[in-house]
Amino acid sequence: GIQVEQSPPDLILQEGANSTLRCNFSDSVNNLQWFHQNPWGQLINLFYIPSGTKQNGRLSATTVATERYSLLYISSSQTTDSGVYFCAVDYGNNRLAFGKGNQVVVIP
Amino acid sequence: EPEVTQTPSHQVTQMGQEVILRCVPISNHLYFYWYRQILGQKVEFLVSFYNNEISEKSEIFDDQFSVERPDGSNFTLKIRSTKLEDSAMYFCASRVMAGNTIYFGEGSWLTVV
Repeated sequence: GIQVEQSPPDLILQEGANSTLRCNFSDSVNNLQWFHQNPWGQLINLFYIPSGTKQNGRLSATTVATERYSLLYISSSQTTDSGVYFCAVDYGNNRLAFGKGNQVVVIP
Repeated sequence: EPEVTQTPSHQVTQMGQEVILRCVPISNHLYFYWYRQILGQKVEFLVSFYNNEISEKSEIFDDQFSVERPDGSNFTLKIRSTKLEDSAMYFCASRVMAGNTIYFGEGSWLTVV
């Protein structure tokens, strides 16, 4: 099956700092989503981004499908940004394959 | 904003017991899914469901698992005889059509003792 690799696995940020999370995938995909899993376990949709760049407040994402990677940018991080960020790719018939996630901790 | 709802939010069950997890997908969505996440691990696909039948299932989804859409709104996951290793967060998800954004419910945390 398809491989989805996320880096870095763990990240500690000072509040106000910027960061970039990376997602590499091993095969062509139909689309890609970024999720934020909050401390209560909820998976919050951040971006649906099969290609190109999107922005939502302090977050933005870029997917370069031809090179099989996506980036999630967090600017001016806040403590509420803490949690696990998952990249998930839509491939094959009808399923999402998730990466192992980026564990982000933002400290005040 | 419409959302996927799941019940119960948390269930503790004894090994060997049957468990039914319930989901109400977003009303105009046609594709339904179950995923699970063992504590500290990544989210894993279990099964997809479309047009009242399973369209795809993973190797995890063995004979002890089944899904059903008993009426026009509910979508259920049944685990026939739970094992300790079934302890996990189970997520229901739905989308309008294949290739579109998938929306996840808040999850049902299952603890098997």
